[in-house]
Amino acid sequence: SQQGEEDPQALSIQEGENATMNCSYKTSINNLQWYRQNSGRGLVHLILIRSNEREKHSGRLRVTLDTSKKSSSLLITASRAADTASYFCATDAWDRDDKIIFGKGTRLHILP
Amino acid sequence: DGGITQSPKYLFRKEGQNVTLSCEQNLNHDAMYWYRQDPGQGLRLIYYSQIVNDFQKGDIAEGYSVSREKKESFPLTVTSAQKNPTAFYLCASSGPTGSSYNEQFFGPGTRLTVL
Repeated sequence: SQQGEEDPQALSIQEGENATMNCSYKTSINNLQWYRQNSGRGLVHLILIRSNEREKHSGRLRVTLDTSKKSSSLLITASRAADTASYFCATDAWDRDDKIIFGKGTRLHILP
Repeated sequence: DGGITQSPKYLFRKEGQNVTLSCEQNLNHDAMYWYRQDPGQGLRLIYYSQIVNDFQKGDIAEGYSVSREKKESFPLTVTSAQKNPTAFYLCASSGPTGSSYNEQFFGPGTRLTVL
């Protein structure tokens, strides 16, 4: 069962520009996380935002959460070539034990 | 170094064979997970375990089996009953069960190809 859906599926931007990715989900959540995956590698946790939080920052990352719209966005400012990767949102809920459900991801390509 | 390891990195299997993928963690995490990832797709949960000697099926458990005899280890067997096993397999672990902090730590993955 797919909970999160990222949008867009793919995004290409020039180095130095900001990249915005969106995630929508279907049911109430406890936390929402964003992960990054470089090609052929495992996922790396970027940031977690709790359902009672609206915005969170970590370095060049800014995450927002709108529980009324069941959506989140990830903003990467001043993009770099090393940001080229796939980005996934993942949600968990109290009624899902410790399981989290991943979306299909946004493939981000930073152009030199 | 603390972390989660998977082996082998690449695995080739003939049709009809069972193969076992290894996953080990030294993070003292209670919960461990196996995911399957197909090209251009997200992760789908195969099995997960919240405690030693206990595990539950995920969304796509058919054709797979697991064991959790030790806290550190959660091997996945891909059986001959799995009709389309070629995929990238990811193992993950997370902290105390029931915690609201549910960050998962991932291994580097095993790419399985059926010949």
